[in-house]
Amino acid sequence: NAGVTQTPKFRVLKTGQSMTLLCAQDMNHEYMYWYRQDPGMGLRLIHYSVGEGTTAKGEVPDGYNVSRLKKQNFLLGLESAAPSQTSVYFCASSFSGGAGSETQYFGPGTRLLVL
Amino acid sequence: GQNIDQPTEMTATEGAIVQINCTYQTSGFNGLFWYQQHAGEAPTFLSYNVLDGLEEKGRFSSFLSRSKGYSYLLLKELQMKDSASYLCAVRDSNYQLIWGAGTKLIIKP
Repeated sequence: NAGVTQTPKFRVLKTGQSMTLLCAQDMNHEYMYWYRQDPGMGLRLIHYSVGEGTTAKGEVPDGYNVSRLKKQNFLLGLESAAPSQTSVYFCASSFSGGAGSETQYFGPGTRLLVL
Repeated sequence: GQNIDQPTEMTATEGAIVQINCTYQTSGFNGLFWYQQHAGEAPTFLSYNVLDGLEEKGRFSSFLSRSKGYSYLLLKELQMKDSASYLCAVRDSNYQLIWGAGTKLIIKP
C-alpha cells in the first residue's frame, strides 16, 4: 500500500517549456487535489477532482490544467512554464469531500524550478 | 477574505511544553485541522476539532473556540523529532481546506 505517490520528485524547466506532474493513489479515494506550497504562504489549491472524469478549479488555477481519466491518477499540466510557477507541488487525496474528521493524505511533493 | 494566522517561528527546549496558536476568519466553518510537516516532506494529519474544547491525543492536544475563531496545538514532553512546521487548516463552507502559512518549531537540547 504505497498511499499517494508523485512523479517526478524534482524537475528544472526553462521558461515556456511544458511538463506533466503525475499523482497516483491506491486507497480508492474519490477526491484528489493539487496544491502548491510557497515560502511564507499556506498551501494553495490549484485544481481538484471529486471523481473520475471530473475536475474543478481551486484558488490559483491559472497556468495549469488537470485531468482525471482514471480514478487512481490525477495529472497536473503546465503548458508554458513561467518562473512564478517555481514551487513545491503536493498532491493529496481523500475518501470523500470532507465529512467529519476525514483527512487528506499527501504525496511526497514535486519540487519544480522554472528558470 | 479568508485568513488564517499563525506565528512564523517558535523555539522551545527538549522536554518542555509549547503552545502554537492559530486564529482564523473564514467563510463558514466545518472543522479545523492541524498537520505536521517535517522539512522536505509531506504534511501529515495530527488532529481535528469541530466542537469547542480540548481534544487530547498522547503528547499532543488541540483546542478550539469557535466564537473566538481560535485554536491552539499543545505539544508536551517535547522531543527533538518534534522539530517541524505545524500547519493549521480550516474547512470552509465549500468544504475546502484553507491553510495557514505554518509555524516552524525549533527544539533545542
